[in-house]
Amino acid sequence: GAVVSQHPSRVICKSGTSVKIECRSLDFQATTMFWYRQFPKQSLMLMATSNEGSKATYEQGVEKDKFLINHASLTLSTLTVTSAHPEDSSFYICSAGGPGGTDTQYFGPGTRLTVL
Amino acid sequence: GDSVTQMEGPVTLSEEAFLTINCTYTATGYPSLFWYVQYPGEGLQLLLKATKADDKGSNKGFEATYRKETTSFHLEKGSVQVSDSAVYFCALGSNYQLIWGAGTKLIIKP
Repeated sequence: GAVVSQHPSRVICKSGTSVKIECRSLDFQATTMFWYRQFPKQSLMLMATSNEGSKATYEQGVEKDKFLINHASLTLSTLTVTSAHPEDSSFYICSAGGPGGTDTQYFGPGTRLTVL
Repeated sequence: GDSVTQMEGPVTLSEEAFLTINCTYTATGYPSLFWYVQYPGEGLQLLLKATKADDKGSNKGFEATYRKETTSFHLEKGSVQVSDSAVYFCALGSNYQLIWGAGTKLIIKP
């Protein structure tokens, strides 16, 4: 149980285009989902916290107009990287607060974004 | 603010060796503590957790005890295997968010 999927697992795009990443909780409902960014050989950086039906809460330094987050249902959150640039290339990971309380998070497998 | 500090890696051990990865934290209140593991090419997985002082989390032969007096949550395993090679992250749960350590890469040699 408590499985989280992400799609796509890998995406390559041209500079200036937008990319949407989906995060789904497959066998539970997630009121809260989290989006992280992981740089090579570094820890995770929390980008934003999204609650179903409300606006996401962004961490300091994260541009909300660039990283659009939508949490339209209890099983789906999306992250859209708008007008992507090479510096946005990274590993994006979502997690969902699952059974056992939202202090336990279940992670998706991540999405590798490469912007050319 | 709350923070997590864990030992830098990589940590290289021989198979069947004893493992300790240190993790200390600073926090206001009473957070939950976690160890997550990231195997090569895979996503993060919850390894174990402890929700209050003196709790011991355990899974797959790994253990960690929530020590409030030393603000620590060290990860231990009595006999590591090659398949334990991964990156291990210590994390603190605060206000429904996770605060992460930098991660420790563990390499187990046969």
